[in-house]
Amino acid sequence: KAGVTQTPRYLIKTRGQQVTLSCSPISGHRSVSWYQQTPGQGLQFLFEYFSETQRNKGNFPGRFSGRQFSNSRSEMNVSTLELGDSALYLCASSSQGSSYEQYFGPGTRLTVT
Amino acid sequence: QKEVEQNSGPLSVPEGAIASLNCTYSDRVSQSFFWYRQYSGKSPELIMSIYSNGDKEDGRFTAQLNKASQYVSLLIRDSQPSDSATYLCAVLWGDTGRRALTFGSGTRLQVQP
Repeated sequence: KAGVTQTPRYLIKTRGQQVTLSCSPISGHRSVSWYQQTPGQGLQFLFEYFSETQRNKGNFPGRFSGRQFSNSRSEMNVSTLELGDSALYLCASSSQGSSYEQYFGPGTRLTVT
Repeated sequence: QKEVEQNSGPLSVPEGAIASLNCTYSDRVSQSFFWYRQYSGKSPELIMSIYSNGDKEDGRFTAQLNKASQYVSLLIRDSQPSDSATYLCAVLWGDTGRRALTFGSGTRLQVQP
């Protein structure tokens, strides 16, 4: 079974721009969660999507948004980029069984200059 | 504020020894606990999940859970240099439909050849 895929793998943007990241979950997984990882803050939960609906949201500003499509693929968008948005953005998928085990993709490394 | 605490390390052990990694969490209601391994520059990889008190073994890995004391640990037997990585403890909070993983900051393990 193919794993979680994320595109692009690396991205360099300028402050004030916006960016869209994409995630394809493991086949059959309907839940997609997004995380931000930085050296200072560690892994922080952004939001979770299930069946095209945002089910849970972390403590991030409204500049961070996402969506999920009918095939479970998900995108996240960051508008008006700030230098502090430089991070590794990770997507994780889950089958939503009782175990709630999440499997991560390789991540997108975003650098804001 | 739900918290997951880990000693940042580095924890240094000789090859062949047992590495013991610990994690404490703040919410007694939590039911699901996970250990992830993250190599430098890579994404987290799920290595163990545990849901009930006691020990769970998988190869050289043993996860231990004590809900009364609110701690979960990971033992790695016969440690190998390839085990050198950061180990992240994750705790699942919330009710079905609004669950989210909270991660500790990770413990860096160094296995000396």
